[in-house]
Amino acid sequence: DGGITQSPKYLFRKEGQNVTLSCEQNLNHDAMYWYRQDPGQGLRLIYYSQIVNDFQKGDIAEGYSVSREKKESFPLTVTSAQKNPTAFYLCASGPVGTYEQYFGPGTRLTVT
Amino acid sequence: SQQGEEDPQALSIQEGENATMNCSYKTSINNLQWYRQNSGRGLVHLILIRSNEREKHSGRLRVTLDTSKKSSSLLITASRAADTASYFCATDGSDSNYQLIWGAGTKLIIKP
Repeated sequence: DGGITQSPKYLFRKEGQNVTLSCEQNLNHDAMYWYRQDPGQGLRLIYYSQIVNDFQKGDIAEGYSVSREKKESFPLTVTSAQKNPTAFYLCASGPVGTYEQYFGPGTRLTVT
Repeated sequence: SQQGEEDPQALSIQEGENATMNCSYKTSINNLQWYRQNSGRGLVHLILIRSNEREKHSGRLRVTLDTSKKSSSLLITASRAADTASYFCATDGSDSNYQLIWGAGTKLIIKP
């Protein structure tokens, strides 16, 4: 069953803690993306990767980090440096060199 | 940075009526895409229209693109309760490195 999965669906953390969001895909896509979505707003790009062991900052990378050790996986760490981490986080993947993006179901992170 | 702006921000219509949403953008594009997002879920790709196309159909969806006005519209005919969702347009540009730039979305509510 091909697709892109994110876990967990809901995540709660205390302020000051780092937290890692999982994103896995078995679509054989080279490109992967992390977006942040706040209520009533569009998606903002945090990081993207077009190949294993390489990634680029998006528009709002501060306070976030990523790794791309495997083609299938692109975990996002929300660090304590992120001032306002509570949001809905969406991961996407797609064939490199195209504008196609396929989305996971999202993780809602709440930091108190 | 946001390029697309959807209009209206919210739309509520009766089941069976047609729903029209608009998207305006600022810079030249190669493609424009429309996505749907059900509440608390990931995004689902609906349709892509290329800059050299003026109109495209997919089932009950009709998308138009006017590059001279830098705008696009999404028409959903014979709306159903299941069409209740937020609809986003996403644009790219020749220098966007295959990144998508997202509008804030139109929230569509279909009343039974």
